[in-house]
Amino acid sequence: NAGVTQTPKFQVLKTGQSMTLQCAQDMNHEYMSWYRQDPGMGLRLIHYSVGAGITDQGEVPNGYNVSRSTTEDFPLRLLSAAPSQTSVYFCASSYSTGDEKLFFGSGTQLSVL
Amino acid sequence: GEDVEQSLFLSVREGDSSVINCTYTDSSSTYLYWYKQEPGAGLQLLTYIFSNMDMKQDQRLTVLLNKKDKHLSLRIADTQTGDSAIYFCARSGGFKTIFGAGTRLFVKA
Repeated sequence: NAGVTQTPKFQVLKTGQSMTLQCAQDMNHEYMSWYRQDPGMGLRLIHYSVGAGITDQGEVPNGYNVSRSTTEDFPLRLLSAAPSQTSVYFCASSYSTGDEKLFFGSGTQLSVL
Repeated sequence: GEDVEQSLFLSVREGDSSVINCTYTDSSSTYLYWYKQEPGAGLQLLTYIFSNMDMKQDQRLTVLLNKKDKHLSLRIADTQTGDSAIYFCARSGGFKTIFGAGTRLFVKA
C-alpha cells in the first residue's frame, strides 16, 4: 500500500512551457486535491475532485487544469508556466468528503525560470 | 489562509512542553486538525478534534478547543528533537480544508 504517490519530485521549467504533475492513490479514496505551498502562506487549494469525472476549483485555480478519469489518478496540468507558479505542490486524498482526514504525497518542487 | 492564523516560530528546550496556538474565524467547521510536516516531506495528520469537544489527549499530545474564542492549541509534552517540524492548524470546510501558515517548532538540545 503506497498511499499517495507524486511524480516528479523536482522539476525545472522555462516560462511558457507546459507540464503535468502526476498523482496516484491506491486507497480507493473518493476525494483528491491539489495544494501549493509557499513560504509564510501555508497551503492553498488549487483544485479538488469528489469522485471520478467530477472536479472543481479551489482558492487559486488560474493557470492550472485537472481531470479525474479514474478514482486512482488526479493529474495537475500547468498550461503555460509562469515564475509565479514556482512552488511546492502537494496532492492529498481522503476517504470521502464527509471524512476529511487528508493523506498527502511527498510533494513536487517546481521552479519556473 | 487568512481565516486560520498561527504564529510562525516557536523555540523550546528538549524536555519542556511546547504549546502551539491557532485562531480561526469561521466557526462552522465540524473538525479541526493538526498536521505535522518534516523537512522534505508531505503533511501528516497528527491529531484532530471534533468541534463539540473541548479537549482531546493522545499520548504526549493534548488539543484544547475554546469555541467561544475560536482558539485551538496543541500541547506537546516532553518535547524531543524529533518533534522539530512545521505544525499546521487546519479546519474542515466542506469540500475544502483550510490551513494556517504553519508554526515552525525548533527544539534545542
